[in-house]
Amino acid sequence: NAGVTQTPKFQVLKTGQSMTLQCAQDMNHNSMYWYRQDPGMGLRLIYYSASEGTTDKGEVPNGYNVSRLNKREFSLRLESAAPSQTSVYFCASSGDHRGEQYFGPGTRLTVT
Amino acid sequence: QKEVEQNSGPLSVPEGAIASLNCTYSDRVSQSFFWYRQYSGKSPELIMSIYSNGDKEDGRFTAQLNKASQYVSLLIRDSQPSDSATYLCAVSGAGSYQLTFGKGTKLSVIP
Repeated sequence: NAGVTQTPKFQVLKTGQSMTLQCAQDMNHNSMYWYRQDPGMGLRLIYYSASEGTTDKGEVPNGYNVSRLNKREFSLRLESAAPSQTSVYFCASSGDHRGEQYFGPGTRLTVT
Repeated sequence: QKEVEQNSGPLSVPEGAIASLNCTYSDRVSQSFFWYRQYSGKSPELIMSIYSNGDKEDGRFTAQLNKASQYVSLLIRDSQPSDSATYLCAVSGAGSYQLTFGKGTKLSVIP
C-alpha cells in the first residue's frame, strides 16, 4: 500500500497563476483533509471532506477550492496564487471519526 | 476557538534519558488525542493515540492523559538521537472530523 500520495512534490508559481494539487489514498478511508504548514503557525486545516460527495471549510479556506473526485482522490485548487500561499501543503486521510489521520509526503509551493 | 498549546522548545536531553513533552488544550469536550512526530522536511507521522484518562504505553513511548486538567503528555524512554524531531500534539472533539494541532515541540537528543 502506498498510503497517501501527493503530486507534485515541488512547485513554483508566479502571482496570479493557477494550479491543482492532487492527493490520493489507497486505505479505503472515508475522510480526507488538506492542511498548510507555515513556520511559527503550525498545521492549519484548509478544507476537509468527511465522505465522498461532501466538502467543508476549515480554518483557512480563503483562496482555495477543493474537489472530492471519488473516494480515493481529493484535490486542492489555487485559482489565482498569491505570495501568502507560499507554504507546505499536506493531504491526510482518516478511516473513522476518532480522528487518526495519516499524512502524505507534502507539496512545497512557492509563489513569487 | 479551540487551542492546543505546546512549549516550542528546543528541548534537549542526553542520549538514554527520558524526554517529557507536554500539551494542554482548551476544549473540555475533546475526546481524542494524538502525538505526531515530524522530522525536518518530512510529513507528520502518527506515533501515539489516546482516548481515555491514564497511561498508554507502546514500546519506548508512553502517552498520558488527564482530562480534568486538560493535559496530555508524551514520555520517550531511553531517548535516541533518531528521536530528534518536532513532536506535534493534536486534539479532536466528540464525533469531529477535525484535528486541532499544537505548534510542536522540537526535541534534540544529544549523543
